[in-house]
Order: sequence, then structure tokens, then C-alpha cells
Amino acid sequence: KAGVTQTPRYLIKTRGQQVTLSCSPISGHRSVSWYQQTPGQGLQFLFEYFSETQRNKGNFPGRFSGRQFSNSRSEMNVSTLELGDSALYLCASSSQLGAGDLMNTEAFFGQGTRLTVV
Amino acid sequence: KQEVTQIPAALSVPEGENLVLNCSFTDSAIYNLQWFRQDPGKGLTSLLLIQSSQREQTSGRLNASLDKSSGRSTLYIAASQPGDSATYLCAVRLPNNAGNMLTFGGGTRLMVKP
Repeated sequence: KAGVTQTPRYLIKTRGQQVTLSCSPISGHRSVSWYQQTPGQGLQFLFEYFSETQRNKGNFPGRFSGRQFSNSRSEMNVSTLELGDSALYLCASSSQLGAGDLMNTEAFFGQGTRLTVV
Repeated sequence: KQEVTQIPAALSVPEGENLVLNCSFTDSAIYNLQWFRQDPGKGLTSLLLIQSSQREQTSGRLNASLDKSSGRSTLYIAASQPGDSATYLCAVRLPNNAGNMLTFGGGTRLMVKP
């Protein structure tokens, strides 16, 4: 069974540009979450999508957005890039079937996309 | 607001030693707790998942315990090996709009010396 796939693995962008990152979850998983990891702040939750709907959102500016497609693949977009957006962006998928299954829910992470803003 | 703390931030041990990593959280109303391993520049590998109703889980040389009432979890690694060198992260899953969101600790960076 294939794991969580994130593309691209590395990106270098210039301040002010926008970027789109992609995440393909484990087959059958409907929940996809995105996290930002930096040396100073650690791992911080960006947002979560479940069956194409954003279900949770972390404390990030509106420049960070995402979406999920009918096949559960997800993309996140960052507009007007800033130097501080340089980070490892991680995607996690979970097989949660519904709101009552969270106790059994386990997250599986991809290898991440390393974004460098110059 | 849930806060998750991992102590120590870094640990260096000789090969073969048994060791314990600590994780504490401020809000005991969690669904479950997960331990992860992260190698430099890589993603997270799930090691163990403990549901809130469980006291411990074991996988090979790893044993994780959970004391929800005191807000603590430990990861015990038996007979450590150089290949265990990595950063270990704990994360709790909270009741949050029925969503699926993890709150992470800052991690413990482990170095096992041959």
C-alpha cells in the first residue's frame, strides 16, 4: 500500500510569488491535514480537509489556503510569499470514518516539501 | 489551550542503554496520543498510537505509556542502537470541532553513540 506522497520535495521561490504544494493521501483515507515545521516554532497545524470540506483551521494568515479534491488529494497554496514562510510543509492522512472514530485515528505523514523563499 | 512539552530537548546515550523520553500535556481531554520519529530533513514516521482509554502500547523495543489524569506519556526504548538516533515527537489529538488535528511537543533529539 503506497504511503502519503508529497510533491515537489524541494522548492525555491522568490518573495512575493505564490506556490502550490500537493499531497496524495493513502488510498481510502479521507482526512488530509497540513502542518508547517520550522526550527523556531516546531510543528504547527495549518488546516484539515475531510471529504472536500475544510474542517479545521490553524492560526495562519489568509495567504495560506487549501483544497481537497473528490479523490482526496489535497493542495495547499501560499500567496505573496514571505521569507518567514521558508519551512518544511508536511501532509498527514488519516482513515477516520466519521466524527466518532477519532480515538482510533492515526496520522501518517509524507516526506514533506522543503520550501525556501529567497 | 493545549500545550505539549517534551523533556529533555536533547539526549545522548551509549549504545545498549535503556532510555525514557517524556511528554506532558496540559489538557487531559484527549482522544489519543501518538509518538513519531523524524530523521533529519524527513517526514514523520508513526511509532505508536495510544488511545485515551489505554495505559500502554508496545512495538518491538518500544513501549509507550499514558497517564491521562496526570497529563503524561513516556516512550521507553530498550537496548538502544545507533539507528535509533533521530528526533522523537509526541502529539495529542483533541476534541476540536470533531476534526482531526494534532498538537505537537517540541521533540527530543536522541543520539545513540556506538
